[in-house]
Amino acid sequence: IAGITQAPTSQILAAGRRMTLRCTQDMRHNAMYWYRQDLGLGLRLIHYSNTAGTTGKGEVPDGYSVSRANTDDFPLTLASAVPSQTSVYFCASSATISTDTQYFGPGTRLTVL
Amino acid sequence: GNSVTQMEGPVTLSEEAFLTINCTYTATGYPSLFWYVQYPGEGLQLLLKATKADDKGSNKGFEATYRKETTSFHLEKGSVQVSDSAVYFCALSDQGNYGGSQGNLIFGKGTKLSVKP
Repeated sequence: IAGITQAPTSQILAAGRRMTLRCTQDMRHNAMYWYRQDLGLGLRLIHYSNTAGTTGKGEVPDGYSVSRANTDDFPLTLASAVPSQTSVYFCASSATISTDTQYFGPGTRLTVL
Repeated sequence: GNSVTQMEGPVTLSEEAFLTINCTYTATGYPSLFWYVQYPGEGLQLLLKATKADDKGSNKGFEATYRKETTSFHLEKGSVQVSDSAVYFCALSDQGNYGGSQGNLIFGKGTKLSVKP
């Protein structure tokens, strides 16, 4: 069982470019999340999805968009990357939106120059 | 709003030393509390959790007790090993503050633990 996979593992991106971070889970979890991790700030929620077809904004959504076309996939898109989006991005999932325990992917390290 | 405060690191200990990482929280309602661990180069893994006051979560020799009266969830381990070197995150579930529509976790900033042989 893979759990949650993320791609790419790392990426260096020029400012202004568009980038999609991929996240796939095989646990048939309804709820999925995107966090960014920054030194000294911990993890902050970017967007979430209660179930396929629905998404919502988290604490720091600006500059990011998500979609949830099916249960397994939850891609995060940066339409026009900026250096302040340099971070480590983690995808997570939970059985339902009201289930406490979240399971995390290995992360994507993104550098925007 | 809800928040989590944990002791700043880094924490450096010798093998077999006693570990305490303090965590306090501010929350409305009755959140669940968590400790997650992040080993170098990896994602976060759930270490333990407690869902109500006086519950004790435990796993791999680590323990934490949900103390509502002191709003704390301190992580302890009696004898640390080199393999425990990691970053530890305290977190609370933010459910109930958005009509149950957002299962957000609020994280502390993390405490880096280094255990020396």
